[in-house]
Formats: sequence, C-alpha cells, structure tokens
Amino acid sequence: QKEVEQDPGPLSVPEGAIVSLNCTYSNSAFQYFMWYRQYSRKGPELLMYTYSSGNKEDGRFTAQVDKSSKYISLFIRDSQPSDSATYLCAMSAARNTGTASKLTFGTGTRLQVTL
Amino acid sequence: DADVTQTPRNRITKTGKRIMLECSQTKGHDRMYWYRQDPGLGLRLIYYSFDVKDINKGEISDGYSVSRQAQAKFSLSLESAIPNQTALYFCATSDLYRDTQYFGPGTRLTVL
Repeated sequence: QKEVEQDPGPLSVPEGAIVSLNCTYSNSAFQYFMWYRQYSRKGPELLMYTYSSGNKEDGRFTAQVDKSSKYISLFIRDSQPSDSATYLCAMSAARNTGTASKLTFGTGTRLQVTL
Repeated sequence: DADVTQTPRNRITKTGKRIMLECSQTKGHDRMYWYRQDPGLGLRLIYYSFDVKDINKGEISDGYSVSRQAQAKFSLSLESAIPNQTALYFCATSDLYRDTQYFGPGTRLTVL
C-alpha cells in the first residue's frame, strides 16, 4: 500500500462548479501538507501549504486537513477553465532537528474544467 | 528569469549512451532534489542533496548518479541509458527550514 493515495481521475466539471480533490495517507507522522498544481508540460507549482489539522483559505482555494481520518482535501470554488491541470498532494513528517524533511507525493488528480 | 532552470528541456538518445541533465537555481536554497515522473506513478525521488557535501539516494537511484558541483548546481547522470528510463525529470529545491519544494520546468527524456 502506498503511503499517500490519490484518485488519478480524470475529473471533469463544468465551469463555475465547486471541485473537491482528496488524498488519504497512512503515515501518522505527517504534519505538513501541501497541494501542487501542474499544468501540462510544466513543473509542479506550490498552491497551498498547511500545518497539522484545520482549514486554510486563499482566494478560491481552500485546503482542509483531518488528521484523525488521515484525509486532506483541496476545494476550488467557481472553477475556471484555467484551473484545468493535475493537482498533486504532498506531505512531510514532523522533524526533531528543526530542519525540513523530504516530501511524499500523491500520484496526482487530473482536472478538466469545461466551458 | 526562472528561479530553477533545467537543461536540456528535451532529449532523445539511444540505449547505452551516457546522458547528463543539469539543474541550476538562483533561490539560494541549500537542498536540491531529482525526481522522475511517469504516468500513474507520480513523482519518485531519485537523489537528493542537503548541502554541497551531502548526497543521498532516493527510492529509485539504481542506474543514476548525481553530482553537486556548487550550492546552485545539481546534475543527474544516466551512465548507460535504457528505454525504461524514458520519463519526465524534474529538479527541485527547498530551503533548510521549510518543506515546500520549488520545481524546475522539467526535462523530457526519451531513450530509444
């Protein structure tokens, strides 16, 4: 079983819809959670960063972490065709030394927002 | 100018050839990473370096080697390329205290 599971999609939604993207994980040591967006033929770019449980909002994007269920979500409101991309979740464990850890990535969900 | 650059962007080569992919960064980060991305498999870590004198294997290092020439430069070599090394390769950087990584634009490598 992979440490991080993510439905590959594709997920197709009409413009203006609310999109929900999710990842589950098995490692209870994960404390830092990220969402990356990757357009076709481009490198992943950081979209959201959260620590521990709770919600974080940035414009049309909301990241949600439920550590008790080992489940994280990214919500996109008023989705636009420009949101069409692959979304990867990533996470890392708590560290004892104070320095950063490596990331574990999900395989990515491909999103298509249609006109 | 991009903070993380990769050269070449595209490369087609033949089985058995030696290939070097190069990565440079202007973000001033200490940590650098090489990943490969394959459909359905996501990003897999090949090697990472936490500073110039530190090199570590990732989950799929067989068939690859790296060199950290300077804080800003990290090269990936395929000593004898084989077709199943056909993939999209990404370099990434991060600083010492935050987990967030910043990716280059990728190199599309095809081994015939």
